[in-house]
Amino acid sequence: GQNIDQPTEMTATEGAIVQINCTYQTSGFNGLFWYQQHAGEAPTFLSYNVLDGLEEKGRFSSFLSRSKGYSYLLLKELQMKDSASYLCAVKGDSNYQLIWGAGTKLIIKP
Amino acid sequence: GAGVSQSPSNKVTEKGKDVELRCDPISGHTALYWYRQSLGQGLEFLIYFQGNSAPDKSGLPSDRFSAERTGGSVSTLTIQRTQQEDSAVYLCASSLSGGRGGSSSLETQYFGPGTRLLVL
Repeated sequence: GQNIDQPTEMTATEGAIVQINCTYQTSGFNGLFWYQQHAGEAPTFLSYNVLDGLEEKGRFSSFLSRSKGYSYLLLKELQMKDSASYLCAVKGDSNYQLIWGAGTKLIIKP
Repeated sequence: GAGVSQSPSNKVTEKGKDVELRCDPISGHTALYWYRQSLGQGLEFLIYFQGNSAPDKSGLPSDRFSAERTGGSVSTLTIQRTQQEDSAVYLCASSLSGGRGGSSSLETQYFGPGTRLLVL
């Protein structure tokens, strides 16, 4: 079967750095997405990786290793507003369907 | 429009009633997706449209669920004879296209605010 694993919940301190891991087992690979979802709101796009390596976007970076079926989202200089769920999604063999992880709830403490 | 819109934002209905949920995608987006999300859970894929056709209905939970898209734009998701287990947030997303991968600009899905459905 196809599945994506993420930690259920993580806690970090304001101003610190946190790394959220995502491992996947899918039929084929055509890209990996990270989304942020605040409680009661819709997911919003954060990053996309299709090649191995690190993509940096301001305080957020995303890393991919296709050989290991592994990605992480790195959040630096954490702010209280970063408290949210972070969803990892993989595009496998399907032309359109994403396989979604259950999300990691990130709690930021002052 | 500027983003994906959905209506109603909240819907409370009685078990056994039919409900219709609407999604208006971003103008020019040919691909449209419906998802369901239960409290604290991940996204459950329901159906995908490319233009007006739905090549993949595999995620629809039962034959009580149906969806259509007209004019390559607005889509409606209909749930007949609602059950309490249908209670969830129904999310719609659109993307420029549904492709084979490799281009985030074409394939990134943009979500609407969702419809919160409660079946009593």
